[in-house]
Amino acid sequence: DGGITQSPKYLFRKEGQNVTLSCEQNLNHDAMYWYRQDPGQGLRLIYYSQIVNDFQKGDIAEGYSVSREKKESFPLTVTSAQKNPTAFYLCASSPGLDQPQHFGDGTRLSIL
Amino acid sequence: GEDVEQSLFLSVREGDSSVINCTYTDSSSTYLYWYKQEPGAGLQLLTYIFSNMDMKQDQRLTVLLNKKDKHLSLRIADTQTGDSAIYFCAERKSSNTGKLIFGQGTTLQVKP
Repeated sequence: DGGITQSPKYLFRKEGQNVTLSCEQNLNHDAMYWYRQDPGQGLRLIYYSQIVNDFQKGDIAEGYSVSREKKESFPLTVTSAQKNPTAFYLCASSPGLDQPQHFGDGTRLSIL
Repeated sequence: GEDVEQSLFLSVREGDSSVINCTYTDSSSTYLYWYKQEPGAGLQLLTYIFSNMDMKQDQRLTVLLNKKDKHLSLRIADTQTGDSAIYFCAERKSSNTGKLIFGQGTTLQVKP
């Protein structure tokens, strides 16, 4: 089945530690996105990638980094510079930037 | 501004119609979307409407767009308990970023 797979579903981070969230899609979509969701709020864009080897900052990129070495993969690293990383992280993809976005099931990150 | 506003909570009885409302700010937005989020899950794309349309119907879902008032609504006919979820509206800007601006979500509670 085609879809977007995010792993792990739950992730715990110690203070000062970097963690990487995985996002893989087999939809052959060119564009991929990372959003952050906080309780009672809508989603905010962290980074997006229009095509392989290209990515752009969204509204809240500070403390995060991404790579796009393969079309199907768009991992997100939450660095120690991100002071409030506890949130629900959602990955999305679309055929192009002007097409509807489809979402994975999310990763919930918590601080130990 | 970039705000998309939604009421936070709606409660209906099973079998009734539900109407979830949304207002947006950017008259140049190209597409407007409705997503559904069940507890602990990602976002499911329900439907979307292009900004030059007034209405779109898809089975039990009807989307109405009033461009003059920048008002979007989602009507769910014959609401079922399985429709209980958080519903997000989102607007896509006319710029070439794919960026979606999300409302804070409306929690729909369906009582049997």
